Amino acid sequence: QVHLVQSGAEVKKPGASVKVSCKASENTLVGYYLHWVRQAPGQGLEWMGWFSPNNGASNYAQKFRGRVTMTWDASFSTAHMELSSLRSDDTAVFYCARAEYGDNIDSWGQGSLVTVSS
Amino acid sequence: SYVLTQPPSVSVAPGKTATITCGGNHLGSKSVHWYQQKPGQAPILVIYHNRDRPSGVPERFSGSNSGNTATLTISRVEAGDEADYYCQVWDSSSDHNVVFGGGTKLTVL
Repeated sequence: QVHLVQSGAEVKKPGASVKVSCKASENTLVGYYLHWVRQAPGQGLEWMGWFSPNNGASNYAQKFRGRVTMTWDASFSTAHMELSSLRSDDTAVFYCARAEYGDNIDSWGQGSLVTVSS
Repeated sequence: SYVLTQPPSVSVAPGKTATITCGGNHLGSKSVHWYQQKPGQAPILVIYHNRDRPSGVPERFSGSNSGNTATLTISRVEAGDEADYYCQVWDSSSDHNVVFGGGTKLTVL
């Protein structure tokens, strides 16, 4: 059983950064890629990028390049997604999700709400 | 970048068949996946590789993909099927992006 457990809700001011974490049950990401997906209130799913815990490779959606950093802490089997220069329209639920390269997502975290407000 | 187009909403009476479409250029040459998302919950996979069902997904859910259109069909619709549905592909031609459709709200009348 794959478990992706994400960090809790956060409130940030415009211009700040937020770091969302996603803890994976042991060895469940071997051979898989970790994706991050954003969902603004009442809106659809928006892919942000993927990160490979196996070799450190990453690919970010053009929209987020320069503002997003995805990392992996092997000691704690935890992935992190940091988004900087936050704006009010970054208010959203952020999901981590697992997929093989080029394939469907087969497991999702529960989501982390980030609210950007002055 | 690659674009997937879904109707914003579909309505169906209980017991009837719901059809949700997903359009994209030469979509039939890609592998399409479908996710169901209920309010306040993370999405779950209901169809992968155009027509395969994960274990635990009722047989009432089926998928097809041909030409420029993929279709999610839900037979004998139940009240519990009311949700948002998203199609998704991997667009290897444009920077290895994962692409989601805009989502379709299925309303059970």
